[in-house]
Amino acid sequence: EAGVAQSPRYKIIEKRQSVAFWCNPISGHATLYWYQQILGQGPKLLIQFQNNGVVDDSQLPKDRFSAERLKGVDSTLKIQPAKLEDSAVYLCASSLDRGGGYTFGSGTRLTVV
Amino acid sequence: GIQVEQSPPDLILQEGANSTLRCNFSDSVNNLQWFHQNPWGQLINLFYIPSGTKQNGRLSATTVATERYSLLYISSSQTTDSGVYFCAGGGPGSQGNLIFGKGTKLSVKP
Repeated sequence: EAGVAQSPRYKIIEKRQSVAFWCNPISGHATLYWYQQILGQGPKLLIQFQNNGVVDDSQLPKDRFSAERLKGVDSTLKIQPAKLEDSAVYLCASSLDRGGGYTFGSGTRLTVV
Repeated sequence: GIQVEQSPPDLILQEGANSTLRCNFSDSVNNLQWFHQNPWGQLINLFYIPSGTKQNGRLSATTVATERYSLLYISSSQTTDSGVYFCAGGGPGSQGNLIFGKGTKLSVKP
């Protein structure tokens, strides 16, 4: 089966600009997660979707971050405006259902200068 | 939320050696997964193991849920085993979300 697809692979932007990341999960996986991984740390959950509904966005900085999964398949994560501290790898993962094993995409490495 | 502690933080092995990585969690979990992050950043799921023991080739894992820890065993290590190993757990109310530990960085020397 095809894995979790993410794009772009790398992105460099200036602070205060906006950026968007895209994720296409494994076909049939109902649950989709966005994680942020800062260099040297473990991934941290930003938002979880079940089909096209948000399950948990308690750790999403909603003043600048937004995410959607309109048709319950692919998802986009947006940052506007970006700050220097947003420099990180943004990882998308999917699982068959809540509580299932995760499959991660390759991630998007964001550098904010 | 739960706290996940991993040990050791760093490990250097000679090729062919065996190792044990440990993960302690502060509260009950019903979702426990081990991942390997290779030097290129890709996270690979090694085990979904909320309890019991599983084996996959040279890797095996054991979770003792009642004592709140999990172990990852690597036997006959190879240079391709290098990278960071993460343990991640979620409790009954977590809806499938995982809290990750800080990882164990493994370097296998030829």
